[in-house]
Amino acid sequence: DAGITQSPRHKVTETGTPVTLRCHQTENHRYMYWYRQDPGHGLRLIHYSYGVKDTDKGEVSDGYSVSRSKTEDFLLTLESATSSQTSVYFCAIKTASYEQYFGPGTRLTVT
Amino acid sequence: AQSVTQLDSQVPVFEEAPVELRCNYSSSVSVYLFWYVQYPNQGLQLLLKYLSGSTLVKGINGFEAEFNKSQTSFHLRKPSVHISDTAEYFCAVSRTSGGSNYKLTFGKGTLLTVNP
Repeated sequence: DAGITQSPRHKVTETGTPVTLRCHQTENHRYMYWYRQDPGHGLRLIHYSYGVKDTDKGEVSDGYSVSRSKTEDFLLTLESATSSQTSVYFCAIKTASYEQYFGPGTRLTVT
Repeated sequence: AQSVTQLDSQVPVFEEAPVELRCNYSSSVSVYLFWYVQYPNQGLQLLLKYLSGSTLVKGINGFEAEFNKSQTSFHLRKPSVHISDTAEYFCAVSRTSGGSNYKLTFGKGTLLTVNP
């Protein structure tokens, strides 16, 4: 499982509140990614990181920000949660052999 | 930019029958290709990948896939499925160049349902 954990695993929050999801890896991989999964859409990339303090936007980045102050942690923040951000969020790492491995996911519900 | 089309959103089959899940991609540059499986309420598990070399790649759980560059396809096959193969399957691509930062583009998924 490439040593990836996500926290929290489940969260219910209210519209307009900020929310931070955490991804933690234990194997020192350079690349980390945040995806969201919605029915009928597959997985879509939100943001990614290619090193400490090096991040960039994916295809669905509006309303999200990220930070990576340590190799092992990649944080995803919903600045002001909306109902459209109700989703399952997956973190992933890329290995040297170009494979991406995914964490267990965080199920977020915005009411 | 690249895109991935999984041609069937649902595939029902009977146990021990063969199955093929179809994936086509579009890209102006070279790509790496992947298949992932997601069991209910779980994360994604890598089934197999194509990076280069032999166009027939074998993965876990008896699955294999064939890369066809001329048809830009990467179909997933299994000669005999089990009830336990019931899951959603995702095809994904990433550009081979480092400048893309290896971002994955996913298809929308194919739900494989294996019936007794």
